[in-house]
Amino acid sequence: QVQLQESGPGLVKPSETLSLICTVSGGSVSSSSYYWSWIRQPPGKGLEWIGYIYYTGSTNYNPSLKSRVSISVDTSKKQFSLRVRSVTAADTAVYYCASSLMLRGAPAWFDPWGQGTLVTVSS
Amino acid sequence: QSALTQPASVSGSPGQSITISCTGTSSDVGGYNYVSWYQQHPGKAPKLMVFEVSSRPSGVSNRFSGSKSANTASLTISGLQAEDEADYYCSSYTSSDTLVFGGGTKLTVL
Repeated sequence: QVQLQESGPGLVKPSETLSLICTVSGGSVSSSSYYWSWIRQPPGKGLEWIGYIYYTGSTNYNPSLKSRVSISVDTSKKQFSLRVRSVTAADTAVYYCASSLMLRGAPAWFDPWGQGTLVTVSS
Repeated sequence: QSALTQPASVSGSPGQSITISCTGTSSDVGGYNYVSWYQQHPGKAPKLMVFEVSSRPSGVSNRFSGSKSANTASLTISGLQAEDEADYYCSSYTSSDTLVFGGGTKLTVL
């Protein structure tokens, strides 16, 4: 059974780069059966899909974040990563990683999810 | 991309049924059967409750059911229980090969 765990700094300064890692256990980031996504949730607000990566390295991002976001995968470490550049207070959120079954060439739904990690942007 | 539209809140008494709607466009909800629903309790990660419009993962109560008509998907919870009180989010795949969430609905069990 696939399990996901986010890790990374809980505090990032404005204008710097937020970097998070999601470690996958019980499954493989090299599998052709899954997409690997990042999702965030500002305090008291709703969920926002950030983007996904496929094992081939193919990515797609939320248009509203595309200019500042990148997702990469490290198959040797069974991890995928998120970078958000030039952060502001608006990027303060709980960040989740999640997997999506690849169904007929598309990411179909999010399951499972990591437990989430709070990242605060503040000086 | 615009978020899918959900009511901000719904409520019901124990034993009753409630329905949460999720409205999108023909480029997302109406165009694909990749609509899913998530339950989120305070301080917890979201949990998948319904996938592919109307399928339930193993272990999810059959009191939860999903449906779709045109550009609107719905989640119905029957026989409301106190533990159903949570936030609920819908999600859909889109024609841009992206995914989008609804704004979320807070369910209160009276």
